[in-house]
Amino acid sequence: DTAVSQTPKYLVTQMGNDKSIKCEQNLGHDTMYWYKQDSKKFLKIMFSYNNKELIINETVPNRFSPKSPDKAHLNLHINSLELGDSAVYFCASGQGRESYTFGSGTRLTVV
Amino acid sequence: GESVGLHLPTLSVQEGDNSIINCAYSNSASDYFIWYKQESGKGPQFIIDIRSNMDKRQGQRVTVLLNKTVKHLSLQIAATQPGDSAVYFCAENRGDKIIFGKGTRLHILP
Repeated sequence: DTAVSQTPKYLVTQMGNDKSIKCEQNLGHDTMYWYKQDSKKFLKIMFSYNNKELIINETVPNRFSPKSPDKAHLNLHINSLELGDSAVYFCASGQGRESYTFGSGTRLTVV
Repeated sequence: GESVGLHLPTLSVQEGDNSIINCAYSNSASDYFIWYKQESGKGPQFIIDIRSNMDKRQGQRVTVLLNKTVKHLSLQIAATQPGDSAVYFCAENRGDKIIFGKGTRLHILP
């Protein structure tokens, strides 16, 4: 069983569109995260949710809206996509102060 | 701002040799570091961690050294294999979030 799974793996879309990326974890962790990895492999945290509650929002544009229906799911909705949103987005989950488990990423390409 | 970062973007090592990947951090209060490995098309994967009450920790073929005096840590991989080819990140666990350094790509030469 995949511990942290995110869909889709690839997403190609036009500027201005709205898209969602889904993430699910079956590890029973309380906290979930979204990270963005740019073309230079730099990984930056975007959001964290603890038991469905937003904990961290790292000055991400309002076009990005995370939603956590329950503690096993954290979805990322992006409105009015821009070229600069092209990146690989990683979902992760963690418990306490232990290391995170990451999903395999969603490569978003905005054309 | 305070950060954690790697010294070299790329490291090429002969297969069978030992690899050493270095990382520096700026906050002397940092107390928990993690090394991750990211293979192509995959997410970062935990390798080994170290807390500030230790200066060395060993795993299977990997060793992490922490020098708090100069705010430096390193990842040593013994007898490097083709499967070690990846991007390696040092990261700081700040409690509410994990901050990643820039990453070093490890190339294995045949």
